[in-house]
Amino acid sequence: GAGVSQSPSNKVTEKGKDVELRCDPISGHTALYWYRQSLGQGLEFLIYFQGNSAPDKSGLPSDRFSAERTGGSVSTLTIQRTQQEDSAVYLCASSLALILGGAGGLDMTKNIQYFGAGTRLSVL
Amino acid sequence: TQLLEQSPQFLSIQEGENLTVYCNSSSVFSSLQWYRQEPGEGPVLLVTVVTGGEVKKLKRLTFQFGDARKDSSLHITAAQPGDTGLYLCAGAGGGADGLTFGKGTHLIIQP
Repeated sequence: GAGVSQSPSNKVTEKGKDVELRCDPISGHTALYWYRQSLGQGLEFLIYFQGNSAPDKSGLPSDRFSAERTGGSVSTLTIQRTQQEDSAVYLCASSLALILGGAGGLDMTKNIQYFGAGTRLSVL
Repeated sequence: TQLLEQSPQFLSIQEGENLTVYCNSSSVFSSLQWYRQEPGEGPVLLVTVVTGGEVKKLKRLTFQFGDARKDSSLHITAAQPGDTGLYLCAGAGGGADGLTFGKGTHLIIQP
């Protein structure tokens, strides 16, 4: 597609339910990123994928959060047993390639990210 | 933990005025990026500054990276209502994955 597509755009759920958020990256983009944007907070980096692989899952807030990517394209972020503090906008971004920096982390100067519109999750 | 402090958090000014938004940290970043986010949309990259002391201009927007690569500023000249939005700075580098974002500056330009 022309841009990063996220679905659903809005999700209201009850505490304790599981939710699945979907991200369709820009066609041909090998890298995919998930962020969380809470009210009054900045964007919090959660996880990135190079192809189908997520080398570092330590940014996920708790073990209730998981993410996967299949076919090097679509990614899903799953939150199990949702809590009210999970309420936030979950943003997905993709970049053409994944370039590592000299220190071993991502070289975000070169990994230009294109963001989707996000999924607004409300946990009642 | 790398932190980016943005100021002011909120700014409402009249069309035609000038303004400056600041992004400060105690950490050194390999680069700083500025994004603009409108309601219901994801952030859109405006500029990346890489070299200490670097100045980049984007029409009426001027971005500067501090000499020590710990801070940055965004200056808007003759603000227009179309400049209204959430401006986010984000730092890259230090071996950390992803970007470290500030909380943003909510800017409202009144006609």
